[in-house]
Amino acid sequence: GAVVSQHPSWVICKSGTSVKIECRSLDFQATTMFWYRQFPKQSLMLMATSNEGSKATYEQGVEKDKFLINHASLTLSTLTVTSAHPEDSSFYICSAITGTASTDTQYFGPGTRLTVL
Amino acid sequence: AQSVTQPDIHITVSEGASLELRCNYSYGATPYLFWYVQSPGQGLQLLLKYFSGDTLVQGIKGFEAEFKRSQSSFNLRKPSVHWSDAAEYFCAVWSNTGTASKLTFGTGTRLQVTL
Repeated sequence: GAVVSQHPSWVICKSGTSVKIECRSLDFQATTMFWYRQFPKQSLMLMATSNEGSKATYEQGVEKDKFLINHASLTLSTLTVTSAHPEDSSFYICSAITGTASTDTQYFGPGTRLTVL
Repeated sequence: AQSVTQPDIHITVSEGASLELRCNYSYGATPYLFWYVQSPGQGLQLLLKYFSGDTLVQGIKGFEAEFKRSQSSFNLRKPSVHWSDAAEYFCAVWSNTGTASKLTFGTGTRLQVTL
């Protein structure tokens, strides 16, 4: 089946620094990738939809300048948390679809746990 | 706006017992519904999905779900639970607003299996 990886699996950083999280589709090309945020014991909240070669579409309430998303190739999307603060600490999950229809099955990465001190 | 409710935060069942996880959705159009399972250190895995047709959907790992439009429900069931089924389960509904489409997840149900 389709595999999505994330790197790193966990990261600890100091307040004010930037952190980059990578999401890769290992055995398929993903024209669309999604970024979610999951708080403890809560649901996944969609942050943005990323299409290869174009600007990401952010959900309402998500700061575009804080959460920079780049989908430069069909197998890689990156999420950069800029000037991270403790409230940005969370579990970040990406997913990718193999086709072009938004109802195509989303394959999820294992997630990245970010802790900002 | 679309929403998904999973009323049970935590469920404990004995191995070999049957299981039903509840899911209720709110969506104005015909819903596309999904069940995912999340295990520690692993990504969410799709168990099954309903788009149309037979309202009883079979999935992987012996799971099934039944779509009931009159009750706005999409409950997940398994006749006999295995210890390896212990995980977090998420119900989700896909929505299309015309300008954007996305999955909206419920808050999840944590399943504990006792031996």
